[in-house]
Amino acid sequence: RKEVEQDPGPFNVPEGATVTFNCTYSNSASQSFFWYRQDCRKEPKLLMSVYSSGNEDGRFTAQLNRASQYISLLIRDSKLSDSATYLCVVNPQRDYKLSFGAGTTVTVRA
Amino acid sequence: ETGVTQTPRHLVMGMTNKKSLKCEQHLGHNAMYWYKQSAKKPLELMFVYNFKEQTENNSVPSRFSPECPNSSHLFLHLHTLQPEDSALYLCASSPLLGRDKTQYFGPGTRLLVL
Repeated sequence: RKEVEQDPGPFNVPEGATVTFNCTYSNSASQSFFWYRQDCRKEPKLLMSVYSSGNEDGRFTAQLNRASQYISLLIRDSKLSDSATYLCVVNPQRDYKLSFGAGTTVTVRA
Repeated sequence: ETGVTQTPRHLVMGMTNKKSLKCEQHLGHNAMYWYKQSAKKPLELMFVYNFKEQTENNSVPSRFSPECPNSSHLFLHLHTLQPEDSALYLCASSPLLGRDKTQYFGPGTRLLVL
């Protein structure tokens, strides 16, 4: 089983819509969770960390479900500039290494 | 943003060439990483350096040879590569100590092996 699994998409959504996608992780002892954003032919950049209680950053909301071992990302009022690949990232052990999902592609259309 | 820089940004090389990728971080971090990203695949961790010491070699073929002269610089020396080594090579750094596990990436070197 892969350490981090994501639905590759693509999720094609109209501007202004809400889109949600999940990621599952295999190691129940995982401690830290992140969403990174990667634009086409660019490097991954941290979008937000995911906290146990869930957290929001503007139009983005991240949730963690430890019992079911998944995290989610919700994007409200989608903008064209939200089009990107979103990488689910997990710190599976108590060290500094991260495990990356293959990414979920989101395309926002006008 | 110039926290982590990589050169060259693009590289085309033949299978008999020798080339080096360079990474420099200006964030005061203590850990540096090399990743390989192939199309539609997750980032693959190749090497990890912690305070200049290599702490991870993720079963990477010997045709890839890393070098970390100090905590700010990381190199990846390439020789006799194969076409399947064509990919985006990303360098990253992180603070290592403390609770912040965030890794910061350079722009990558897009490598094509002919």
